[in-house]
Amino acid sequence: EAQVTQNPRYLITVTGKKLTVTCSQNMNHEYMSWYRQDPGLGLRQIYYSMNVEVTDKGDVPEGYKVSRKEKRNFPLILESPSPNQTSLYFCASSRGQSPGNTIYFGEGSWLTVV
Amino acid sequence: AQKITQTQPGMFVQEKEAVTLDCTYDTSDQSYGLFWYKQPSSGEMIFLIYQGSYDEQNATEGRYSLNFQKARKSANLVISASQLGDSAMYFCAMRGSGYSTLTFGKGTMLLVSP
Repeated sequence: EAQVTQNPRYLITVTGKKLTVTCSQNMNHEYMSWYRQDPGLGLRQIYYSMNVEVTDKGDVPEGYKVSRKEKRNFPLILESPSPNQTSLYFCASSRGQSPGNTIYFGEGSWLTVV
Repeated sequence: AQKITQTQPGMFVQEKEAVTLDCTYDTSDQSYGLFWYKQPSSGEMIFLIYQGSYDEQNATEGRYSLNFQKARKSANLVISASQLGDSAMYFCAMRGSGYSTLTFGKGTMLLVSP
């Protein structure tokens, strides 16, 4: 089954404790990205990657890091989480970046930073 | 810049009835893609339907159809024969030729009653 898999789905952590949200897709997609969804602010892109070893900032990259060492994986790293990073996070992928390429989302990761 | 407007914060419909969710968009791109996603209360973001800017026919996927009126810059989602499981938040989104990201509207909450 074609899918984007994120882990963990639910996490409560403390301020300053480094965490990684993993993302893997099995569709051989070149394009991957991370979004966060917040009430009143909608979905905002954090980082994206056009292909292996190619990443770029989205609209809200502060406080996050990413890497793309393999085509299928695109982890999101919070080096020193803060409460304002409490959010619902989505990993997404598509075949490419053209307008006709559908973006498929993972199931979401609910992150709470206390 | 791209913009998606969903003017209906909430919609109510009875089971088995059809419902139309409105979406208008603004872009200067000639080539773009329009998407609808469903987000149930569990949080995942589910792709429903896609319409390309050059597609002359309206897209259909099962009970979902997209009423695309290019001159009016509208891309309304029509759900035929609503089911209780259709209760969710629905997002209209766009991907332009110069943007890798999706631009989302604020969403419409659909509630289907028995």
